[in-house]
Amino acid sequence: LAKTTQPISMDSYEGQEVNITCSHNNIATNDYITWYQQFPSQGPRFIIQGYKTKVTNEVASLFIPADRKSSTLSLPRVSLSDTAVYYCLVGNTGTASKLTFGTGTRLQVTL
Amino acid sequence: DVKVTQSSRYLVKRTGEKVFLECVQDMDHENMFWYRQDPGLGLRLIYFSYDVKMKEKGDIPEGYSVSREKKERFSLILESASTNQTSMYLCASSLGGLNQPQHFGDGTRLSIL
Repeated sequence: LAKTTQPISMDSYEGQEVNITCSHNNIATNDYITWYQQFPSQGPRFIIQGYKTKVTNEVASLFIPADRKSSTLSLPRVSLSDTAVYYCLVGNTGTASKLTFGTGTRLQVTL
Repeated sequence: DVKVTQSSRYLVKRTGEKVFLECVQDMDHENMFWYRQDPGLGLRLIYFSYDVKMKEKGDIPEGYSVSREKKERFSLILESASTNQTSMYLCASSLGGLNQPQHFGDGTRLSIL
């Protein structure tokens, strides 16, 4: 089972770029890396997913080095509304018994 | 938009009771999941189902069972509730196959007294 490790918390000012790293040393060949965002009293919400190299969408980028033992979620120019908990998930829904969420990173954005 | 609905936001039960948590999704997804979320432990998979009447154990299935009689509905059952099952329970669904994003409900906060 791929164990994932994330920083417990991060602080940022509005307008800065935030990078959150997740370590997953035991990632398997078929595993994907997925990031979710969670606000209080809500379920997690999908942000971005990748297998290797770099993926970008309208809200974030995901950087995955060649060895795939870590990944970095990059949030450009954060705003107050990005204050949330961010989880990385390693695995794939085809073999869901091996899905492993990180313990989450609490991002606090201030003015 | 995919909607995953959990029947209760808050639930209070007593030790030893049989507890049912219900989850319904409206997007014809093949996969459905039950997680529990505890402070400092993140989300841990209890059970998942990839088809009607099919189920597989996740990381922490002890003390739980599940039922999936219809594609859109996935039930989590606490056979005999205990205080250590006090937690936030999250249901999710996804399309079948690999690397499909999961869509989560807003959770049921269950307290066992």
